[in-house]
Amino acid sequence: DQQVKQNSPSLSVQEGRISILNCDYTNSMFDYFLWYKKYPAEGPTFLISISSIKDKNEDGRFTVFLNKSAKHLSLHIVPSQPGDSAVYFCAASAGDTGNQFYFGTGTSLTVIP
Amino acid sequence: DSGVTQTPKHLITATGQRVTLRCSPRSGDLSVYWYQQSLDQGLQFLIQYYNGEERAKGNILERFSAQQFPDLHSELNLSSLELGDSALYFCASSKGRLSSYEQYFGPGTRLTVT
Repeated sequence: DQQVKQNSPSLSVQEGRISILNCDYTNSMFDYFLWYKKYPAEGPTFLISISSIKDKNEDGRFTVFLNKSAKHLSLHIVPSQPGDSAVYFCAASAGDTGNQFYFGTGTSLTVIP
Repeated sequence: DSGVTQTPKHLITATGQRVTLRCSPRSGDLSVYWYQQSLDQGLQFLIQYYNGEERAKGNILERFSAQQFPDLHSELNLSSLELGDSALYFCASSKGRLSSYEQYFGPGTRLTVT
């Protein structure tokens, strides 16, 4: 049972435009969410996180939005750069009530120069 | 470079065999997590160890086992291997025992079972 879903396997965006990656979850106990970026032949690297007490967290060109009522989060990248081309995974956990991270299947982002 | 090392990078073995994957966490990190990524799948959490003790268990098969040693490195043992066990196996480490701590991933071990 996939508790974290990324329904778009791939996304292509022009350089300089906004990339929006989406993630949905089913478990209302999740209270901590992360985005990871993965290049080929490397392990995932942490990008940005958000706690359920917030609805937005920003770090440079990356912003994560959380809509708890819709059980939906999104990652915005503005402006998109060719170096952002990678697979992006969202992950969720129930914090202190559990240590397990649930990952989505990933969205492959291609930024076209 | 995340500071997490995994060996070997690639492993090819036959069905029914047993293999051991090794992970060294970042200096100072006490938690080690193991994940499996099969083709077209997300990362599936297998197991977490914190300072030598099992802390959380995910979808880990009974044929698989892990441990964390006093020097904090960890090993994942996979036995009676099946074709479906072919996957990328990632290890990650973090400072604390809670999932709110950022995890740093190693480059992974690609296991191919023939």
